[in-house]
Amino acid sequence: QMQLQESGPGLVEPSETLALTCNVSGGSISTSYYYWAWVRQPPGKGLEWIGSIFYRGSTYNNPSLASRVTMSVDTSTNQFSLRLTSVTAADTAVYYCARDRSDGYNSEGLNLWGRGTMVIVSS
Amino acid sequence: IVLPQSPGTLSVSPGARVTLSCRASQATNSRSIAWYQQKPGQAPRLLIHGASTRATGIPDRFSGSGSGTDFTLTIDRLEPEDVAVYYCQQYGNSPMYSFGQGTKLEIK
Repeated sequence: QMQLQESGPGLVEPSETLALTCNVSGGSISTSYYYWAWVRQPPGKGLEWIGSIFYRGSTYNNPSLASRVTMSVDTSTNQFSLRLTSVTAADTAVYYCARDRSDGYNSEGLNLWGRGTMVIVSS
Repeated sequence: IVLPQSPGTLSVSPGARVTLSCRASQATNSRSIAWYQQKPGQAPRLLIHGASTRATGIPDRFSGSGSGTDFTLTIDRLEPEDVAVYYCQQYGNSPMYSFGQGTKLEIK
């Protein structure tokens, strides 16, 4: 049974870069059935999709964050990663990784989620 | 696309039927609509995709319907464990995934 687990620093200083990794266990990240997504949720607020990446490296991003976001996949370690540059307090949120059953045209939803990791941006 | 959900908060007795609404700001393909449940302190869980198809393992108390701009999540025979925030989601515009602001469901 596949599981996702986020990891990374819980505290990032303003203007620095937030870097998170999602470890995929119980199955291969190198599958044509899924993209792999990042979603965040500020405290007490709703969900915001950040972007999704295919195991071959193709991505699609939320335009509101695209200039600051880099996503990557490491098939040798079965992990995918998120980097968000020039962070501010507004980037404080729980960050989730998720399995994305879409193909760029149609979607069957984000059908498996990690537990999430809280990232606080503060000096 | 903007996805306002209504009501913002709902308080319902156990055993009741609940109807949650999601109204898209423009007509959308029903295949692009999904619903998620987020219990307190937990990650979201996919309930419905394609507006009406239950995700794997979701009990048949949960059902989705709708077309065009109006979509509905119905929960039959409400149980205390259904306390959660429910989000609708649309796929395919910019951004690719958009979420509604959520409906908070409470048990009386």
